[in-house]
Amino acid sequence: AQKVTQAQTEISVVEKEDVTLDCVYETRDTTYYLFWYKQPPSGELVFLIRRNSFDEQNEISGRYSWNFQKSTSSFNFTITASQVVDSAVYFCALSEIYNFNKFYFGSGTKLNVKP
Amino acid sequence: GAVVSQHPSWVICKSGTSVKIECRSLDFQATTMFWYRQFPKQSLMLMATSNEGSKATYEQGVEKDKFLINHASLTLSTLTVTSAHPEDSSFYICSARDPESTYEQYFGPGTRLTVT
Repeated sequence: AQKVTQAQTEISVVEKEDVTLDCVYETRDTTYYLFWYKQPPSGELVFLIRRNSFDEQNEISGRYSWNFQKSTSSFNFTITASQVVDSAVYFCALSEIYNFNKFYFGSGTKLNVKP
Repeated sequence: GAVVSQHPSWVICKSGTSVKIECRSLDFQATTMFWYRQFPKQSLMLMATSNEGSKATYEQGVEKDKFLINHASLTLSTLTVTSAHPEDSSFYICSARDPESTYEQYFGPGTRLTVT
């Protein structure tokens, strides 16, 4: 069965600190996609990144970076020099390829960035 | 990127009434749409998969007679919460799959339902 685990329920940091959000997944599929979404208080999901299971290269986008390690089934997300605007709930998700792309979301990590 | 809209963005209804939520793909034809439910401070839980022209597939534990899903066209899926009760109060999010892509799925902005 597909499962995504975000063990950190809530994290609080002070502005300019770096923070890493953990994501561990389980799947029997050999091909799948992994995602990170940001959900601000408004509720709308904001797409951050998609990673194909065949591509283990790390990715950096501005202050955001992602570390995908298939060997440990982890897809961690790091925010460098956090800002108050980064405060939100972050979801990691796994998408199937062959079943209408069903999404399986983790439980989310609430990030509080204090000034 | 593609846009998915939901209407209404929020709704308050009385217990025992029914409420319909619309999900539209605005610039692509979505053969498959999904409905999610999110309780406060919880994750998104998939309720059902909606395929155009056929019956929706519900996840285990979701009452199909209570949550009626209709995907009558390639750009519109509706979720009707029948005989709503306060415990149905939640944030409902739809997503639409772009058939031109193997992975793209676009999420709507969500509908907040409050049943009094």
